[in-house]
Amino acid sequence: NAGVTQTPKFQVLKTGQSMTLQCAQDMNHEYMSWYRQDPGMGLRLIHYSVGAGITDQGEVPNGYNVSRSTTEDFPLRLLSAAPSQTSVYFCASSYNPGQPQHFGDGTRLSIL
Amino acid sequence: GQNIDQPTEMTATEGAIVQINCTYQTSGFNGLFWYQQHAGEAPTFLSYNVLDGLEEKGRFSSFLSRSKGYSYLLLKELQMKDSASYLCAVRDQSRDYKLSFGAGTTVTVRA
Repeated sequence: NAGVTQTPKFQVLKTGQSMTLQCAQDMNHEYMSWYRQDPGMGLRLIHYSVGAGITDQGEVPNGYNVSRSTTEDFPLRLLSAAPSQTSVYFCASSYNPGQPQHFGDGTRLSIL
Repeated sequence: GQNIDQPTEMTATEGAIVQINCTYQTSGFNGLFWYQQHAGEAPTFLSYNVLDGLEEKGRFSSFLSRSKGYSYLLLKELQMKDSASYLCAVRDQSRDYKLSFGAGTTVTVRA
């Protein structure tokens, strides 16, 4: 049972670099979302998707792009990394927004 | 956004009971979730309340009062492995059913 798989687990970037965080789930979940977690602030929603071909913005979308070409995959792109984007990123999925979400193990990203 | 408040930290002794409170303000409440997160790991689902009252699941119980905008998570017979952060999350139908999370309560269980 793979569940929600995130890669990479750790990454260090320089300011201005771009990168894609990968997220895949094998549970046939329609609803997928990306969060960032910073000390003292809880999980904040970046982008989410209610199904293939449909994405929408969360609370903190600036500097990030997403796409959902398949049900399984929901990659998060950092367009031009900034130190303020240093964080732990979690991908989550569920059958619909009302169901409990399954989280991936996270990507720990540092921007220098 | 949502205003969700939880205490930052709590400490309790092994075998004891701890109650973690969560208060929220929302215009379209549509459910409240509790997640457990061990340090360096992913959050995992603990409980869900959408109607008033108590939901019991083994050593863990969760209570909801919609009129008061209040929930609590009760951890009984504390074990060392219960040392973790506990996240309260509220679903709001006025915000397309998106979840908003509190900052989390770190519980430390001492022997």
